[in-house]
Amino acid sequence: AQTVTQSQPEMSVQEAETVTLSCTYDTSENNYYLFWYKQPPSRQMILVIRQEAYKQQNATENRFSVNFQKAAKSFSLKISDSQLGDTAMYFCAFNANAGGTSYGKLTFGQGTILTVHP
Amino acid sequence: EADIYQTPRYLVIGTGKKITLECSQTMGHDKMYWYQQDPGMELHLIHYSYGVNSTEKGDLSSESTVSRIRTEHFPLTLESARPSHTSQYLCASSDRGFQETQYFGPGTRLLVL
Repeated sequence: AQTVTQSQPEMSVQEAETVTLSCTYDTSENNYYLFWYKQPPSRQMILVIRQEAYKQQNATENRFSVNFQKAAKSFSLKISDSQLGDTAMYFCAFNANAGGTSYGKLTFGQGTILTVHP
Repeated sequence: EADIYQTPRYLVIGTGKKITLECSQTMGHDKMYWYQQDPGMELHLIHYSYGVNSTEKGDLSSESTVSRIRTEHFPLTLESARPSHTSQYLCASSDRGFQETQYFGPGTRLLVL
């Protein structure tokens, strides 16, 4: 079974600074996808960034980038130039094509509450 | 934002009542999902569907049931609500293939008294 662990329940950062959220996962699969989702207070869950396991290059999306270490099974999210609107709960998620079925089930981590202070 | 909708957004109901949480998407996605999330906690998959007339139970046992008669519609029903069902329920959908991104609805916050 796959597991996803986020060891930081809460993080805080000053506006305009950089913060890194940690995520580790465990799987025996070789072909999988990793995601970071953002859930702002009382608002819809949205995708922040996605990484394909077979790609060595780290994904980037504007101020958001990942550090994907496949051998270490680590997938951290770096947020540069933090903004007040980045305040949210962030979930790391894993999606593998286990057992030949392609139902795309996501396994989520416990979440990290990020607060950006002015 | 994604075109996936949930109604009602908030529901307060008494024990023993039957409720149906609605979820619809206009993206033509084959796969749809229901997650349960307690406040500030992780998400747990309770049901999913590959397509019309396909439904499966997820990783977390749930007393709820689902149906998928139309591609765009994936309602969740509780025959007899109990206080232990109090939670937030999130609906999501994704396109064919395991790597596709899941798009989430705004959620339904359920309180059973």
